[in-house]
Formats: sequence, structure tokens, C-alpha cells
Amino acid sequence: EADIYQTPRYLVIGTGKKITLECSQTMGHDKMYWYQQDPGMELHLIHYSYGVNSTEKGDLSSESTVSRIRTEHFPLTLESARPSHTSQYLCASSVLIPGQNNNSPLHFGNGTRLTVT
Amino acid sequence: AQSVTQLDSQVPVFEEAPVELRCNYSSSVSVYLFWYVQYPNQGLQLLLKYLSGSTLVKGINGFEAEFNKSQTSFHLRKPSVHISDTAEYFCAVRTSGTYKYIFGTGTRLKVLA
Repeated sequence: EADIYQTPRYLVIGTGKKITLECSQTMGHDKMYWYQQDPGMELHLIHYSYGVNSTEKGDLSSESTVSRIRTEHFPLTLESARPSHTSQYLCASSVLIPGQNNNSPLHFGNGTRLTVT
Repeated sequence: AQSVTQLDSQVPVFEEAPVELRCNYSSSVSVYLFWYVQYPNQGLQLLLKYLSGSTLVKGINGFEAEFNKSQTSFHLRKPSVHISDTAEYFCAVRTSGTYKYIFGTGTRLKVLA
């Protein structure tokens, strides 16, 4: 079931355009993540957030930015898209499991496949 | 630094045969381990997880994995695969005390008729 939603699913845009990839989750999870996925490569963490108004850059350098104004919403923005940004972008979320000192596994959206021409 | 190694990029196997997908990790502290499956044009779905307790964990779709601390491995197994198991499988690790998940490069399982 899709409790975490990403739009658009596919996007083809020209170089230099500004784009925002949307990610929303209805589970009340406090932690949200953006991963970049390329064929044959590991998923690279590009941004994460541990709660409202909290955002951090991930392990992979990225020219994108994120915001977390509401718990359920974690959009990713590219101010000026380039062909090197062509990739699949996956949004995920997790939460501390009630009664356990542990975090839930990641729940993923279906991804946005971005092509920059 | 943590890392996850999936040595097999592709594994072809005949239907109803057993399969093992290998995963090794490097970490000097306690870890939590996960296997995810990705079908074409979809996100990743959790197959199974190891948090603590029994080292043999069972997941969905008949998959299981065994945590081996001495060998720092978490191999995924299924005794009899189906065509529908054709997908990409990712191993992931999270270090205790952090909320960041590190993924391997994935193994493409192709089940042949």
C-alpha cells in the first residue's frame, strides 16, 4: 500500500529549469529521507530530516535543496536542472517504534524518474 | 565508516530452485540489517529485518536471512523461487544510535522458466 506518495512519477525537462519533486506521507513519521538511485549503484542518501524545520545533507553531494515545514511533506528542489541530475529519486520515511527503543524500517515511495535533456 | 557489499550484481536461477543472495557489511558497532525488494518502476519494499534476538529471520514471500556476526554477513535465501521473484534485491544496514541507512549496490535476481 502507498502511504508515501511521490509526484510526478516521470518528468522530462530541459536544462536550466527549476523543478520540485514532491513527497508526502500519511503515517505521521518524523524522519524523512531522499535517496538518489542509478542503475548498478547503491542508493545514495542526499538529504534527510528528523522532524519539522530539521534538514541535513546526506553522504552524496547534491545541488538540490529540501524543506520540512510540515511533518507530512518533504519536497526536493533543483534550482537549475542539468543532464547530470538525470536519475531516479526515492523518498522514504521512518519513525521510532512506540514501546521499543528502535526505529522502524524505511517506507519508500514509488520514486520519481527525472530526465534532464 | 559503514559499508554494505553485495558481490553478485546478477543471479540467474531456474524456477523452483533454491537461491542465496549474499550481503556483507562492515561496522565496528551494533547494527540493524534489512533486505528490500524492488520491482520494476516501483519503490523498495521491506522483505525482512534483523533488529535483535534470533539470528534467523523470516520475511515475506518465503524469504529468510541469517545474521552471522562473526562473518559480518546477512545472506538472503529462498528454498524454491518463482518467476514472480524476479526483481532487484537490496541489503541495507543501520548503525545503532543513528537513523541513517546505508544500502548495497543491489542484486538482480532473474528467475528462468
